[in-house]
Order: sequence, then structure tokens, then C-alpha cells
Amino acid sequence: AQSVTQLDSQVPVFEEAPVELRCNYSSSVSVYLFWYVQYPNQGLQLLLKYLSGSTLVKGINGFEAEFNKSQTSFHLRKPSVHISDTAEYFCAVMEANQAGTALIFGKGTTLSVSS
Amino acid sequence: ETGVTQSPTHLIKTRGQQVTLRCSSQSGHNTVSWYQQALGQGPQFIFQYYREEENGRGNFPPRFSGLQFPNYSSELNVNALELDDSALYLCASSLDRGQVETQYFGPGTRLLVL
Repeated sequence: AQSVTQLDSQVPVFEEAPVELRCNYSSSVSVYLFWYVQYPNQGLQLLLKYLSGSTLVKGINGFEAEFNKSQTSFHLRKPSVHISDTAEYFCAVMEANQAGTALIFGKGTTLSVSS
Repeated sequence: ETGVTQSPTHLIKTRGQQVTLRCSSQSGHNTVSWYQQALGQGPQFIFQYYREEENGRGNFPPRFSGLQFPNYSSELNVNALELDDSALYLCASSLDRGQVETQYFGPGTRLLVL
């Protein structure tokens, strides 16, 4: 079974600073990776996804992530964060088999942006 | 806005009771997945429904059951509620099962079991 490890439970940064949220996954033949964001008292919103092709994936709100197969990582980055980026971020791997598809999530990283 | 809606938004039940949560999928999506998110944790996969049939299940006991209707709306039923069932329950719809399709999440139902 797939698994996801988010290496930092909390990341505090100042506004306009760069940020990297780290994610490692267990190795598999086919890997499909996602980053979701969850604002307080809300559901999950898709930030970006890697299915195949270019290893650098660009998402919404200025976020990007790089798929690194040799390091089994899919770290999320943003060059300059805003106060509004304060939220919980989840990395997920999709497990696909004959029975269907399920997202396997990490435990999340709380990004706190202060002025 | 993902077009996925859930009801109710909040619910309080007592231990031993039964609960039904509802989800309306995004238009054109025939697959729905349910997740449980305990406080401070990532969502955990409960099960998936495709065209009214259960299509995959996570590590949850049989007292967690579901239904999907011909219009692809869905229900999650939990019997004999336990305190540990307190969580945010999320449903997600996707275009088709078995394919690597993006899952779009609803806002969730927050269940508190006392």
C-alpha cells in the first residue's frame, strides 16, 4: 500500500518570504501525486497534481511542485507567500487498482504566514 | 466552488445512535468517495461508489455503509456511533472510477458524538 509522509507538521514564515512544504511518498510503479489546501472550517481544494510528463507542475495561487522520482519526493513551493496562504496543506498519492481509486493523504502541514 | 455539496454542515449525536450524511456530486461525475478526517489528521479513505455499487473500501468496519443513487448523489451511514467517530466527513466526486481522475471535495459534515 502507498503511504505519504509530510516532513513538517508546522511551517511558520513571514509574508513575502519563500516557502517549501516537504512531502515524500512510498515508491510504486505508477505514481499520481496531489497537493490540496484546506482553509479553516472548509473542505479540500486542489492546488496541483502530477500525473505524468514534466516533473515541474504549476498550480493555482502561485504554487508549484517538483516530482523527484529518485528521491520519491513531491515538495510544494511558493516564491513569495501572502497572509491569505495561511492554511493546512495536504500531500496525497492516488492508489489505483481494479477496485477503483483512493487518495492516501499525509497528516498535513500547517502553514502560518505572519506580517 | 467544486459543485459538490454536503448536508448537514454540522451534526451532534450520542453514542450508540445512527447517522446519515448526504452528498451531491458534481454534474456529470459518476464516482463518489467518502473520507473521514479526525481532528489534526489527514483524511482517511472510507469507501468509493461507482454507478451505485461499492467500488473499493478502506480500513473501516461494516457499521460504515453507503449508498449511491441513480442521480449519483450519495449517502454515508454510520451505525452504533462511537466517540471516535467524531470527525469531519468529506465526500469527493470524480468523473469515472479506475482512472486517475481528480477528486473534487465538498465542504464536509462535522459530526460530534457525545
